[in-house]
Amino acid sequence: GAVVSQHPSWVICKSGTSVKIECRSLDFQATTMFWYRQFPKQSLMLMATSNEGSKATYEQGVEKDKFLINHASLTLSTLTVTSAHPEDSSFYICSARSQGQNVGTQYFGPGTRLTVL
Amino acid sequence: DAKTTQPPSMDCAEGRAANLPCNHSTISGNEYVYWYRQIHSQGPQYIIHGLKNNETNEMASLIITEDRKSSTLILPHATLRDTAVYYCIVRVYNQGGKLIFGQGTELSVKP
Repeated sequence: GAVVSQHPSWVICKSGTSVKIECRSLDFQATTMFWYRQFPKQSLMLMATSNEGSKATYEQGVEKDKFLINHASLTLSTLTVTSAHPEDSSFYICSARSQGQNVGTQYFGPGTRLTVL
Repeated sequence: DAKTTQPPSMDCAEGRAANLPCNHSTISGNEYVYWYRQIHSQGPQYIIHGLKNNETNEMASLIITEDRKSSTLILPHATLRDTAVYYCIVRVYNQGGKLIFGQGTELSVKP
């Protein structure tokens, strides 16, 4: 299967600071990327969908000004958690798909563990 | 909301087949069923997907009922490394093709 990478794999930051997480598709061009969040012992929750060169579409209840998503190229998407607080501590996972919305398989990155002190 | 229901947990003996059921009674005719698994603290791994026909690959087989209201993922010879949470997902049609995760089935393979 296709490979999706994330960087960093884990990060610890102080409350009030911003953190950027990168997601890269290594061997394919990702027309669409997705960002998920997962709290301990819970399932993945979709935060937003982004298409290359377009603004991200956020799921209901996700603050677009707090979770900034940029999908500037076909191989890179970034998620910036602005003014992070302890409740933002979570496992953030990106996913990428190479084809249109009703075809193509989504491949997931290994995740980024964010801890906000 | 997820369009699937799965048992929360299952056990399987090492070397035996693991059969994981999934109900998706509200699935539409053009929506695919996808299976992923997540090993602790890792990103989900793609396993297999199908529309109406049964599918098989090197990892597993997917059996979809004729009315498409349920499916079964089969791991033919489970190993300890297959211990994971398995997610059955109906891919939403024309909403960006996004995958909405349910609670999944926690499969424990025991020696």
